Amino acid sequence: NAGVTQTPKFRVLKTGQSMTLLCAQDMNHEYMYWYRQDPGMGLRLIHYSVGEGTTAKGEVPDGYNVSRLKKQNFLLGLESAAPSQTSVYFCASSHFGPLFGKLFFGSGTQLSVL
Amino acid sequence: AQTVTQSQPEMSVQEAETVTLSCTYDTSESDYYLFWYKQPPSRQMILVIRQEAYKQQNATENRFSVNFQKAAKSFSLKISDSQLGDAAMYFCAYRSYSGAGSYQLTFGKGTKLSVIP
Repeated sequence: NAGVTQTPKFRVLKTGQSMTLLCAQDMNHEYMYWYRQDPGMGLRLIHYSVGEGTTAKGEVPDGYNVSRLKKQNFLLGLESAAPSQTSVYFCASSHFGPLFGKLFFGSGTQLSVL
Repeated sequence: AQTVTQSQPEMSVQEAETVTLSCTYDTSESDYYLFWYKQPPSRQMILVIRQEAYKQQNATENRFSVNFQKAAKSFSLKISDSQLGDAAMYFCAYRSYSGAGSYQLTFGKGTKLSVIP
């Protein structure tokens, strides 16, 4: 069982470069999320989606864009990377409704912006 | 907006002893869910335990249990018979309603637990 798969696992960017992080889940989950984790800050929600074709802003959305064209995929884009976006990025998914709360996480992407 | 506070950035416990991690939250909702997640050095996020606010009984999962005090908005995690594999970051999380039938999890900043052999 693949669960939630994130690609790439590591990436180094120069300031101003763009990139897309891909998240794929094979559990037919409605909800998908992108979080960033920084030392001493916990996990902070960037964007999330409650279904195919829908997205919404989380706590720290600035500098990021997302798309959910297919139910199983959730893409996170950085149009012009900044050093402040150096972080570990986690994708997660969950069922809708009463099962919500148990998030299934990917293994994370370590992004460094120089 | 809901907030989740973990006031202990780091904790340590002797192997086989018991440790309690603290979490408080702020909310105006009456029905909600609370969670503890574990993140070992592998970076994997693992759900440890879940508590529904409408249930008065504290949740337990083997060596893990919670002390849920709804009026005080407190949700602590107790780990009994601590094992070396319990060493990890522990995150408290709150499920909040974000409108239009959607929900999201808000995480605390985490507590790093060390287990001393």
